[in-house]
Amino acid sequence: EAGVTQFPSHSVIEKGQTVTLRCDPISGHDNLYWYRRVMGKEIKFLLHFVKESKQDESGMPNNRFLAERTGGTYSTLKVQPAELEDSGVYFCASSHLGLAKNIQYFGAGTRLSVL
Amino acid sequence: RKEVEQDPGPFNVPEGATVAFNCTYSNSASQSFFWYRQDCRKEPKLLMSVYSSGNEDGRFTAQLNRASQYISLLIRDSKLSDSATYLCVVHGAGNNRKLIWGLGTSLAVNP
Repeated sequence: EAGVTQFPSHSVIEKGQTVTLRCDPISGHDNLYWYRRVMGKEIKFLLHFVKESKQDESGMPNNRFLAERTGGTYSTLKVQPAELEDSGVYFCASSHLGLAKNIQYFGAGTRLSVL
Repeated sequence: RKEVEQDPGPFNVPEGATVAFNCTYSNSASQSFFWYRQDCRKEPKLLMSVYSSGNEDGRFTAQLNRASQYISLLIRDSKLSDSATYLCVVHGAGNNRKLIWGLGTSLAVNP
């Protein structure tokens, strides 16, 4: 069974440009999460989808970030316009709906560098 | 105060050593606790869940003290392959499913 996949693995863009990250969760997982790790800091929660609905977007830094999950399958996270402080590793995770322990499985991440 | 606090290390130990990592969390309503392992430039992977009664998986033992809001991980007979960053993770309280992460503790096991 395929795990969580993320694309691209690396992205280098200039300040002011737009970048779109993609996450394909494990098949059948209704929960999808985005997290971000900025260098030297903890991994931080960004948002949580249940199917196509945003369950919790309390971690989104500002309105330059837009996440979508049309159809409840893959998700995209767009940053527009990108700023220097957006650099970091963006992880996506998925889990099965309803399991009490909510074990989340992570993708390899997208390493974003904003120059 | 950070929601999850860990000693960042690094811990440098010889092969065969026993090493212990500690973690504290601030939200007493937290209900689920985990240790994740992250290798350099890789994704975090679940090492083990932590149960109130304590639990063991081979050379790894996890303990939870709810009264002190304290979590520990003990690694016995360290192997070179145990070298990684160990992340203490707490599940959000109530229906909140987000994971709250510690900074991680770096472990290097030396031959």
